Amino acid sequence: DAKTTQPPSMDCAEGRAANLPCNHSTISGNEYVYWYRQIHSQGPQYIIHGLKNNETNEMASLIITEDRKSSTLILPHATLRDTAVYYCIVRVAVETSGSRLTFGEGTQLTVNP
Amino acid sequence: DTGVSQDPRHKITKRGQNVTFRCDPISEHNRLYWYRQTLGQGPEFLTYFQNEAQLEKSRLLSDRFSAERPKGSFSTLEIQRTEQGDSAMYLCASSSDYYNEQFFGPGTRLTVL
Repeated sequence: DAKTTQPPSMDCAEGRAANLPCNHSTISGNEYVYWYRQIHSQGPQYIIHGLKNNETNEMASLIITEDRKSSTLILPHATLRDTAVYYCIVRVAVETSGSRLTFGEGTQLTVNP
Repeated sequence: DTGVSQDPRHKITKRGQNVTFRCDPISEHNRLYWYRQTLGQGPEFLTYFQNEAQLEKSRLLSDRFSAERPKGSFSTLEIQRTEQGDSAMYLCASSSDYYNEQFFGPGTRLTVL
């Protein structure tokens, strides 16, 4: 799986959008970009994933650059409960393999009141 | 609550003792994963089951570690002759063939004294 690079920490004001960047310059054509988050003392939680088109769900939006070498996770209206470590992961589609998740160190997002 | 449960949630043991953890995945999920997470790091893959077959093992899974999923439902992870370096959070996740996300349990925190 391709390696990802994320900033170690970010701050965001409550109610504002949180934009979390991720670089994955060695991503292959069949690899998806996944985002998970981990709130303190809990297991990781799936947020969103995409291949090359931008994606949106009830939690977040995922913007992938045209060359697919980077992406941004957007939390449109951050709340205090969004304070967590956010992991950007690149992996092949699950249908083709067991497809372990390879976590980096992630970005610690702190949402401030 | 993701529907994945783990037991116990906390375990304190003395060095040299054996411990066993249990994971109950979401009932219709045929894929089950074990990860280990040490303080300040992202989770690291340990092993993967598809139904009852253990299809992949990480090099992190030394001879002292054994995992089973005898009927393709719940799984156990046993650590023999525990060492202080085994102290970590042990996470279980499950997924199906049709969805690209892994659902994580709350984890078992192991402390080896």
